Amino acid sequence: DAGVTQSPTHLIKTRGQQVTLRCSPKSGHDTVSWYQQALGQGPQFIFQYYEEEERQRGNFPDRFSGHQFPNYSSELNVNALLLGDSALYLCASSPRDRGRGETQYFGPGTRLLVL
Amino acid sequence: GNSVTQMEGPVTLSEEAFLTINCTYTATGYPSLFWYVQYPGEGLQLLLKATKADDKGSNKGFEATYRKETTSFHLEKGSVQVSDSAVYFCALLPWAGSYQLTFGKGTKLSVIP
Repeated sequence: DAGVTQSPTHLIKTRGQQVTLRCSPKSGHDTVSWYQQALGQGPQFIFQYYEEEERQRGNFPDRFSGHQFPNYSSELNVNALLLGDSALYLCASSPRDRGRGETQYFGPGTRLLVL
Repeated sequence: GNSVTQMEGPVTLSEEAFLTINCTYTATGYPSLFWYVQYPGEGLQLLLKATKADDKGSNKGFEATYRKETTSFHLEKGSVQVSDSAVYFCALLPWAGSYQLTFGKGTKLSVIP
């Protein structure tokens, strides 16, 4: 049973560029969340996608956007990259919500370096 | 708002020592509580969880008990191994109204032979 997968594993961009990160959820999961983890910090919630729509968003600017596809995979897009966007980007998937939040399972992450 | 506070690291222990990492939380209602572990260069792995008061989560020799009265979820292990060296994160998921995991800042554990 494949877990959560993310691509690419590493990425280097320059300021002002745009980046797209990809995530495939664990089999049987239909909900995808994205987190940003700066060096030495805990992950910070960016947003969650469910039924191809953004269900909840954290305190991140509009430069961060996402998408969920019919097969439940997801993309995270970041526009106009800043040096401060350098971080590990984690995708987490969870099964269908049964009335309260379900356990989230994380992928290995994509490490983004902005120069 | 929701928040998690965990003990500052780093923590260095000798192999076979007893481990405690403290975690306290602030949240309304009855959140679910989690411990995640992050090995060097990797993503987060779920270590254990508890979804209601007095529940004990356990996995790989690690344990944590959901204490509503003290709003705590301390992680313990009786005998640590070198392979337990990692960063440990305590996190909460609210009872309702939010799907956002809130994490503590993490505690780095180093176990020396």
